[in-house]
Amino acid sequence: DIVMTQSPDSLAVSLGERATINCKSSQSVLYSSNYKNYLAWYQQKPGQPPKLLIYWASTRESGVPDRFSGSGSGTDFTLTISSLQAEDVAVYYCQQYYSSPFTFGPGTKVDIK
Amino acid sequence: EVQLVESGGGLVQPGESLRLSCAATGFTFSNYAMHWVRQAPGKGLEYVSAISSNGDSTYYANSVKGRFTISRDNSKNTLYLQMGSLRVGDMAVYYCARAPGGTCYLPADYWGQGTLVTVSS
Repeated sequence: DIVMTQSPDSLAVSLGERATINCKSSQSVLYSSNYKNYLAWYQQKPGQPPKLLIYWASTRESGVPDRFSGSGSGTDFTLTISSLQAEDVAVYYCQQYYSSPFTFGPGTKVDIK
Repeated sequence: EVQLVESGGGLVQPGESLRLSCAATGFTFSNYAMHWVRQAPGKGLEYVSAISSNGDSTYYANSVKGRFTISRDNSKNTLYLQMGSLRVGDMAVYYCARAPGGTCYLPADYWGQGTLVTVSS
């Protein structure tokens, strides 16, 4: 199984400042035949189901604000919130869909400082 | 509007069985793969199972393999998760989610609100 890790476990950022979350996979999730990274990012607010933010490591889902961006390739990935807003307080998860089981990272909690 | 509504959760004793359902509306169900993901109280997300659009391919987490069976009825626009030999560790909110295509090798773009499964004696 591919093990997903995230860092930090939690972070507190001032409104308008940048938040950066890292995700690492135990093996590459880059598929050589199409050069796509099978990596997604989700946001989950309390009492709600997760929401897809980013897929293919860097493609923003429709309707997601452009302050959210994803980067990275192979085994190392980053989710960046360029200017944190109050509504961005949530837990963020990465997930690989390269091979089954399609494992999630443990999550990173983002709060306002 | 895409809607996914889970049902079938409840309180069961260890060792018992339960079948979850997920009713899908607002899209052509037979064209999309589907996922089950669970979340234990206060914990993170855990992938459970996935099924391709035509039902030919299924995938399971190691923790549920041999005990859970995913299936779908495309004529009823419904996804199922048959859960057997339930353990205390299976207690969680179970979400069904849609993949944006027919293969399971895709993320989950729409999620239901979840159904709670409680396993306790």
